[in-house]
Amino acid sequence: NSKVIQTPRYLVKGQGQKAKMRCIPEKGHPVVFWYQQNKNNEFKFLINFQNQEVLQQIDMTEKRFSAECPSNSPCSLEIQSSEAGDSALYLCASSRDWGSQNTLYFGAGTRLSVL
Amino acid sequence: GDSVTQTEGLVTLTKGLPVMLNCTYQTTYSPFLFWYVQHLNEAPKLLLKSSTDNKRTEHQGFYATLHKSSSSFHLQKSSVQLSDSALYFCALRELSGSFNKLTFGAGTRLAVCP
Repeated sequence: NSKVIQTPRYLVKGQGQKAKMRCIPEKGHPVVFWYQQNKNNEFKFLINFQNQEVLQQIDMTEKRFSAECPSNSPCSLEIQSSEAGDSALYLCASSRDWGSQNTLYFGAGTRLSVL
Repeated sequence: GDSVTQTEGLVTLTKGLPVMLNCTYQTTYSPFLFWYVQHLNEAPKLLLKSSTDNKRTEHQGFYATLHKSSSSFHLQKSSVQLSDSALYFCALRELSGSFNKLTFGAGTRLAVCP
């Protein structure tokens, strides 16, 4: 079973509503990634953190998406105004370090449906 | 930028037969390659990883060899089981450079029949 915990497993929102999902990375993993997996199973990178600091994020994330990883609290990804095209599985992954040899460990994801 | 290509969208096999799932990649830097497996409604899990040229790596009956000359990291198994039915993703990280995200291929669905 995954040690990266994502909640909720399922999230249903109307267009224009906020959608917020949470992630508890594996203990001792300061590096956190968020990916979007669409209905065709394609992965899209959204944002990554080291501890509380955002390191990289894509343009889409900068406009409607916000994310944070506060100290001693779960990480979160929030979509300010949901659109139908945001319907997807949102995967959180954590890693021990930045180095490329370090494996990303994934949670089971939050499946967002925007009606 | 980096890219990963998986040519097969769906592979259907009978239990006990061998399988090879193709993965090729493009990167400017030295690569680190991964295979992840994702069962239905579960988290993607690491199956194999390698950055060593021409060295076979194995786990749970699956194996792959990174060939930098052909930019390939094909996944193989000599005898598939029903429980191997899942989505398989090849992924790439650079060994240098500031952007260390994992770049995924489109995935291959393996369906094993009795």
